[in-house]
Amino acid sequence: ELKVEQNPLFLSMQEGKNYTIYCNYSTTSDRLYWYRQDPGKSLESLFVLLSNGAVKQEGRLMASLDTKARLSTLHITAAVHDLSATYFCAVRYSGAGSYQLTFGKGTKLSVIP
Amino acid sequence: NAGVTQTPKFQVLKTGQSMTLQCAQDMNHEYMSWYRQDPGMGLRLIHYSVGAGITDQGEVPNGYNVSRSTTEDFPLRLLSAAPSQTSVYFCASSFATSGAGTQYFGPGTRLTVL
Repeated sequence: ELKVEQNPLFLSMQEGKNYTIYCNYSTTSDRLYWYRQDPGKSLESLFVLLSNGAVKQEGRLMASLDTKARLSTLHITAAVHDLSATYFCAVRYSGAGSYQLTFGKGTKLSVIP
Repeated sequence: NAGVTQTPKFQVLKTGQSMTLQCAQDMNHEYMSWYRQDPGMGLRLIHYSVGAGITDQGEVPNGYNVSRSTTEDFPLRLLSAAPSQTSVYFCASSFATSGAGTQYFGPGTRLTVL
């Protein structure tokens, strides 16, 4: 069974600071996704990481993947209030014919002035 | 291109009632799925489908039925609603065998069972 753990689950950070969210998973995967969810809204795709060492960046967010350590990170640089949201990582098992995603419980980020 | 659409947006049911949550996508995606989201639990997979006529169970399938008669539509049926089914339900779709497999989510249905 594929397990996905995110930490921290809650993160309160000041504007301008840097921080990292971690996503660990338990079995071999060939896809890792990061999503953002604003309160009362749906999930928005941020990044797809397909291979070991993959790094994707968009604005103040940077995601990376280490498949050997089964770890992905989402790094926030110089946080701004607009980044306040819940961030989910999701992992797709790499078994043949499998398309299911397993989600972490999410990290609720609050950026305070 | 509407993406993934869901109806209704909100629904209140009484215990024992049945209803169908609708989901449609216009992106020609083979893979469609239903999740429920509960506070502190993340998203949990209920049922999924890899194409018309093919469905399978996810992590929490009890109390729900699905069918996939067309590529576009993937309705979720609650057979006899229970308070434990109070949740937010999301439908998602993606390509199955091509591309990065990013799942696109609908706006959600907020269901309350009294």
